[in-house]
Amino acid sequence: AQTVTQSQPEMSVQEAETVTLSCTYDTSESDYYLFWYKQPPSRQMILVIRQEAYKQQNATENRFSVNFQKAAKSFSLKISDSQLGDAAMYFCAYRISGGGADGLTFGKGTHLIIQP
Amino acid sequence: GAVVSQHPSRVICKSGTSVKIECRSLDFQATTMFWYRQFPKQSLMLMATSNEGSKATYEQGVEKDKFLINHASLTLSTLTVTSAHPEDSSFYICSARGSWATEAFFGQGTRLTVV
Repeated sequence: AQTVTQSQPEMSVQEAETVTLSCTYDTSESDYYLFWYKQPPSRQMILVIRQEAYKQQNATENRFSVNFQKAAKSFSLKISDSQLGDAAMYFCAYRISGGGADGLTFGKGTHLIIQP
Repeated sequence: GAVVSQHPSRVICKSGTSVKIECRSLDFQATTMFWYRQFPKQSLMLMATSNEGSKATYEQGVEKDKFLINHASLTLSTLTVTSAHPEDSSFYICSARGSWATEAFFGQGTRLTVV
């Protein structure tokens, strides 16, 4: 079974600084997707960034970027120029590619605090 | 963008009764819908996956007779918690994915409290 591990229950960063959230996963599959989701206090799940395992290039979305190390099964999220609105729970998630009927396996989450 | 609406957002029911939660894709056809459960300060756990017109596939440990899932159309899936008990109190979240999409889109979630 696939597992996703987030080893940082909580992280704190000063506004405008950069923070990196860690995620490792375990799978025997070669083709899969990895995601970072943000869950603010409203509890609405918001997709932050997505990475296809077959792509070597790290995904970026504005201030958000990932460091995808397939051999190490590592998928960290870097948030640059942190803003107060970035404060939330962040979940790393995995799903197998293909088939179309596979839900997400989530990590336990990292609570990100932004210090003004 | 793709919008998924979940209703109700909050519900309180008495122990022993049943409650139905709806998940609708408003602007796309959802070939697959997913139901998750989230306990306070915990992660999301996949409960079941449903494809339109087919029986849902439940994850190990999820009682299919307690959590009835119906995916009757390409825009609607329902989760019915039958004979609810206080331990069923939780946050339930659905997501929906179209055949073209890599990611699924999440509803707002439903906070269920069983008293």
